[in-house]
Amino acid sequence: QKEVEQNSGPLSVPEGAIASLNCTYSDRVSQSFFWYRQYSGKSPELIMSIYSNGDKEDGRFTAQLNKASQYVSLLIRDSQPSDSATYLCAVNIYTGNQFYFGTGTSLTVIP
Amino acid sequence: SQTIHQWPATLVQPVGSPLSLECTVEGTSNPNLYWYRQAAGRGLQLLFYSVGIGQISSEVPQNLSASRPQDRQFILSSKKLLLSDSGFYLCAFGRVSYEQYFGPGTRLTVT
Repeated sequence: QKEVEQNSGPLSVPEGAIASLNCTYSDRVSQSFFWYRQYSGKSPELIMSIYSNGDKEDGRFTAQLNKASQYVSLLIRDSQPSDSATYLCAVNIYTGNQFYFGTGTSLTVIP
Repeated sequence: SQTIHQWPATLVQPVGSPLSLECTVEGTSNPNLYWYRQAAGRGLQLLFYSVGIGQISSEVPQNLSASRPQDRQFILSSKKLLLSDSGFYLCAFGRVSYEQYFGPGTRLTVT
């Protein structure tokens, strides 16, 4: 049983559009939620963290958390070609020291 | 500021040879430390994590081992590499329920 699920994509959006990435998780006691960006051949880079229900905005990025429905999403506004990467969703479960990662969604922003 | 180092950046080793990958963290004390492996086109697999010196938890039984001889040093080892050990090895540090930050990674090819 997968803890964290993401649509693997690939997701393609035109430059300037909104990219929407989704993630669902299985454990109701999940406490902390994170989005990482991973460029090809590089290590994951943290771009957003969210801990409570609702929206959290940081520049062009908005994370949305709905604990009742057990999903977390990432919106990227005004998408740029430099946003082309794989986006990993991660969930931390309250009772442990571990993160559970999804397999990632590949995003391509077309100029 | 907090910094995480990994070396070497790339490594090509023959089957049956030993392995030692090192990770060090600067700018923080008593961090949780993690070793992950990412096979080509796959998600992140947690291998080991440590909450303190000498405290190692293993997530995947295999021919790898980990040690934490100092507070901010984490070492991944193997006595005999297998072809299936090839992958991108990532060290990360963090706090319980909070963000994890990844090092630059070591790309290991077992031939």
